[in-house]
Amino acid sequence: DTGVSQNPRHKITKRGQNVTFRCDPISEHNRLYWYRQTLGQGPEFLTYFQNEAQLEKSRLLSDRFSAERPKGSFSTLEIQRTEQGDSAMYLCASSFLDPWTQYFGPGTRLLVL
Amino acid sequence: DQQVKQNSPSLSVQEGRISILNCDYTNSMFDYFLWYKKYPAEGPTFLISISSIKDKNEDGRFTVFLNKSAKHLSLHIVPSQPGDSAVYFCAASDDNNDMRFGAGTRLTVKP
Repeated sequence: DTGVSQNPRHKITKRGQNVTFRCDPISEHNRLYWYRQTLGQGPEFLTYFQNEAQLEKSRLLSDRFSAERPKGSFSTLEIQRTEQGDSAMYLCASSFLDPWTQYFGPGTRLLVL
Repeated sequence: DQQVKQNSPSLSVQEGRISILNCDYTNSMFDYFLWYKKYPAEGPTFLISISSIKDKNEDGRFTVFLNKSAKHLSLHIVPSQPGDSAVYFCAASDDNNDMRFGAGTRLTVKP
C-alpha cells in the first residue's frame, strides 16, 4: 500500500458547476477525514467518517457540500454549485487506532473561475 | 476562530544549529498536541505528538515541549538539517475527533 491517494490532483471548474473528489485511504484504516486548506492557512477540519458512518461535520461544511463513504473504504466529497470561495486544497486523511496520527493524501487543488 | 496560532510564518536557521518552532493555543480543553511537516506537493506528515499529561516528548532530533499554564508548545529540532526544510504545522485536539491546525511556519535550513 502506497498511502492515501486522492483524485483528481487538480480541478478547474466554472462557478456554479458541481465537482466530486475521491479519496482512497490506507486499506486497513477505518477512520477517514476531509480537510480544506486555503493559502497561508493550516488544514481546516470538514468531516470525519468511522467506517461508513459520518460521525462529525464542521460548520464549514455548508449544504452545498456532501461527503460519502458508502462501503467504509473510499470516500467522495461533492461540492454543488461551486463558488469562487470554494477554491482551496482539499485534503483527505486516514487513521487506524489512533485518531490523531493521521496520514494525509497529496490533496486535490480546486480552482473555481 | 484561530484556536491554534503559529505567529512566525517563517524561520531560517543554519545547518547544525537548533530550530525552535512555537505554537500557542487558546482552548483549554485541548489535551493532545501534534506537529506535522509538509513538503511541497505533498500532504502533511505526522512528526511528533504530546499528551497534556506530559510536558516533554522526544523522538530523535525532535523534541516537543508543552507548557499548559501558558498554553504554549514548541518543537525543537537539533541539529537542524537541510532536509528539515518544510512547512511545520502545529495541531491540537480535544476529546472530539477534529484537529485544529495552526497556519504553519516555513522552516529553511541553510547548508
